[in-house]
Amino acid sequence: KQEVTQIPAALSVPEGENLVLNCSFTDSAIYNLQWFRQDPGKGLTSLLLIQSSQREQTSGRLNASLDKSSGRSTLYIAASQPGDSATYLCAVPYSGAGSYQLTFGKGTKLSVIP
Amino acid sequence: ETGVTQSPTHLIKTRGQQVTLRCSSQSGHNTVSWYQQALGQGPQFIFQYYREEENGRGNFPPRFSGLQFPNYSSELNVNALELDDSALYLCASSTPGTGLSPLHFGNGTRLTVT
Repeated sequence: KQEVTQIPAALSVPEGENLVLNCSFTDSAIYNLQWFRQDPGKGLTSLLLIQSSQREQTSGRLNASLDKSSGRSTLYIAASQPGDSATYLCAVPYSGAGSYQLTFGKGTKLSVIP
Repeated sequence: ETGVTQSPTHLIKTRGQQVTLRCSSQSGHNTVSWYQQALGQGPQFIFQYYREEENGRGNFPPRFSGLQFPNYSSELNVNALELDDSALYLCASSTPGTGLSPLHFGNGTRLTVT
């Protein structure tokens, strides 16, 4: 059974700092990994999708890396802004399922202090 | 291009009642998945529909059921509501395949069972 862990559970940083969010998964037989952002009481916004053949994906100030062999992914946020405050979730497809099912971590709640 | 839309946004029900939640998939997407997100947790996969048939199910009892319509919209029905069913219910749409495209979520329906 795939398990996804995100560390830390919460993070508070001053505006302008660079930061790294961590995601680990137990079954390395994944074919992609997706990072999402969730604002309080809202749905999920897809940030980055990394295919297993890729090692990195970048979108603006966001950079996500994937190391399948070690079961890890990181989301790097450069020059953080108060608007980046949200919960960040990573998710991987459930191995062996006939349908496309995602297994999520519990998320990292980020607060960027002005 | 319209995104995933869900209705209603909020709902309050009494234990033992039945509820129906609705989802319109993103234009061009013929696969719909439903997830349950309890407070402080990551989303949990309920089931997925493709071509109007359920083609994958998570660890949820049969009182959770669904439908998909010819226009790819979907319903989630929950019978005999329990207090633990209180959660944010998220709908996601996608194209079938091996996860080459990111999963797109709606803003969810917040269900409160009293």
